[in-house]
Amino acid sequence: SYELTQPSSVSVSPGQAARITCSGDLLAKKYARWFQHKAGQAPVLVIYKDSERPSGIPERFSGSSSETTATLTVSGAQVEDEADYYCYSMGDDRVGVFGGGTKLTVV
Amino acid sequence: QAQLVESGGGVVQPGRSLRLSCAASGFTFNTYGMHWVRQAPGRGLEWLAFITYDGSDKYYADSVKGRFTISRDNSKNTLFLQMNGLRVDDTAVYSCAGGFDYWGQGTLVTVST
Repeated sequence: SYELTQPSSVSVSPGQAARITCSGDLLAKKYARWFQHKAGQAPVLVIYKDSERPSGIPERFSGSSSETTATLTVSGAQVEDEADYYCYSMGDDRVGVFGGGTKLTVV
Repeated sequence: QAQLVESGGGVVQPGRSLRLSCAASGFTFNTYGMHWVRQAPGRGLEWLAFITYDGSDKYYADSVKGRFTISRDNSKNTLFLQMNGLRVDDTAVYSCAGGFDYWGQGTLVTVST
């Protein structure tokens, strides 16, 4: 089975850049997706194919990937961006895996 | 707009079975691969299973393989998750997702004596 490792928490001040990493051997050959999850709401896809942004997602959300690490960057983080963020990938066997999640605090 | 609505959750004793449903509307269901995902209390998201758009292929996480079965009825725009041999640690909110573009709000499954 696959594993994706994220920091449990990241904290920034409003207007600063927040960077959340996701590490795993799977990412060397597979794309990462990133989801924003606020309590009581359905998760929202914010990045797919490592760095593509779905329509409607603010430009301050960006993604990158290098070797076995994918990174979600929230440039100029806002209070409304406080949420849990999860990376996700799927192996050649079509078995998916989420990272453990990162709680982003903007305060 | 696109909507996914899960149902079938509830309280069940360990070892028993439960069948979850996910009714889709507002998008072309039969062109989307579908996922089941769960979140246990105080825990993160856990991917459980995926079924291709036509139901021809199914894939499972190790934690549920052999106990859970994903299926779909494209004529009724509905996704299912048959859960057998439930364990206390299966207690979670279960959500369906369409290609991860669309998500339901989830249904709570509680496994308890």
